[in-house]
Amino acid sequence: ETGVTQTPRHLVMGMTNKKSLKCEQHLGHNAMYWYKQSAKKPLELMFVYSLEERVENNSVPSRFSPECPNSSHLFLHLHTLQPEDSALYLCASSQQALNYEQYFGPGTRLTVT
Amino acid sequence: AQTVTQSQPEMSVQEAETVTLSCTYDTSESDYYLFWYKQPPSRQMILVIRQEAYKQQNATENRFSVNFQKAAKSFSLKISDSQLGDAAMYFCAYNTGTASKLTFGTGTRLQVTL
Repeated sequence: ETGVTQTPRHLVMGMTNKKSLKCEQHLGHNAMYWYKQSAKKPLELMFVYSLEERVENNSVPSRFSPECPNSSHLFLHLHTLQPEDSALYLCASSQQALNYEQYFGPGTRLTVT
Repeated sequence: AQTVTQSQPEMSVQEAETVTLSCTYDTSESDYYLFWYKQPPSRQMILVIRQEAYKQQNATENRFSVNFQKAAKSFSLKISDSQLGDAAMYFCAYNTGTASKLTFGTGTRLQVTL
C-alpha cells in the first residue's frame, strides 16, 4: 500500500450505531487530519494531530471522537450521529512544520439513516 | 480569519483549449502557501500545483500554471491543452503556520468537452 488509505470506503449507519473510520498513511509523515466534505461547502477541517498529539479541534460535536495511536494511523470514532453528519470524510497527512502540501486519502462516504 | 473564494462554481472547456480558474483569498499574513487541488470523480484529492508567497515567479507544472498576484490576493490556475482527464473539481487552498492548516475554497467543477 502506498500513500494514504481509508477504510471503509462506504458506510451506512443508523443514528444509534457506533462505528469507526480508519486512516493509514505510508508516507512517513508526522501530521494527520480529518476533514468533512459536504456538497456545496468548503472542506471543513475537523481535527489535526501533530506528532500524535491533537493540536486542533474545530468545535466538532462530541459524537465524533478522534484517536491517533501512532504517527501512521488515525481513527474517527462515531456514535449517535445525526442525518446531517452524512458526508465524505477525508483523511490527510503531511510533514508538519514544513508548510508542505497535504496528501489525501480516497475518503469514506458516510450515510446516516 | 482567512478565507478562500472561488467565484466560478462550474466551468467548461473544449479539449485542447485553455481554461483559467479563479481564486482569491484574504489574509493578513505575509508568508503563506497556496495550492490547487484536483478531485476527480474517483474522489482522491491530489495536488496539482503549489506556490510560495515569497516567490514572485509563477509556478508551472507541465500544462498547469498559476497567475499569482500577491497585492491583489489572486491565485488563478491556467490549464493549457485541456484533456478529458482534467475533468474534476478543482479546489484552491491556502495555508500558513506550522500545523499546515489548509483553508479551502468551495471548488470549481471543470467539464471538458470534445
